[in-house]
Amino acid sequence: AQSVTQPDIHITVSEGASLELRCNYSYGATPYLFWYVQSPGQGLQLLLKYFSGDTLVQGIKGFEAEFKRSQSSFNLRKPSVHWSDAAEYFCARMNSGYSTLTFGKGTMLLVSP
Amino acid sequence: GAVVSQHPSWVICKSGTSVKIECRSLDFQATTMFWYRQFPKQSLMLMATSNEGSKATYEQGVEKDKFLINHASLTLSTLTVTSAHPEDSSFYICSALLAGGPREQFFGPGTRLTVL
Repeated sequence: AQSVTQPDIHITVSEGASLELRCNYSYGATPYLFWYVQSPGQGLQLLLKYFSGDTLVQGIKGFEAEFKRSQSSFNLRKPSVHWSDAAEYFCARMNSGYSTLTFGKGTMLLVSP
Repeated sequence: GAVVSQHPSWVICKSGTSVKIECRSLDFQATTMFWYRQFPKQSLMLMATSNEGSKATYEQGVEKDKFLINHASLTLSTLTVTSAHPEDSSFYICSALLAGGPREQFFGPGTRLTVL
């Protein structure tokens, strides 16, 4: 079965520091990959997505992610974290048939002053 | 564009009663909608795929007679939790696929269900 792994349950980053959230996906045909952010009690907001083409994807709020097929990874990065970035981040892949999504378990980002 | 709403945003009900949650695509048509369930501090688990005008497809382990899904129009899907029990308390999130567009799901804000 296709799966998504986010190895870090939570990460704490100082405000202004750089951030990288890890995401690995199980082997399959060219995956459609997504990063979502969820604030407490809220729905999901799409940060960015990768379907094909340039492997470095730019998203909203200053986030970017790089698709690396050789490592089966799609890590999310931000050069300088703001306190408002504190939230839960989910990596997801679209399953074969291009319909349903499989989510990782999420990474909680805490931002320290 | 591509806004999805859910109603209600939260609901408290007594055990044994039924609760209906609505999911609407406000500015686009969605032939396919999805219902997810999220327990505290956990990820989203797909419950079912709802296609307009046809029966929903339920994921393994989801009771179709307990979680009734109706997708009566291109902009509305409903999830009814029948004979609710405390273990049904959860955060329910819907999403919608833009008909004819890229295969991207747009998510609603979620509904918090608490069963007493």
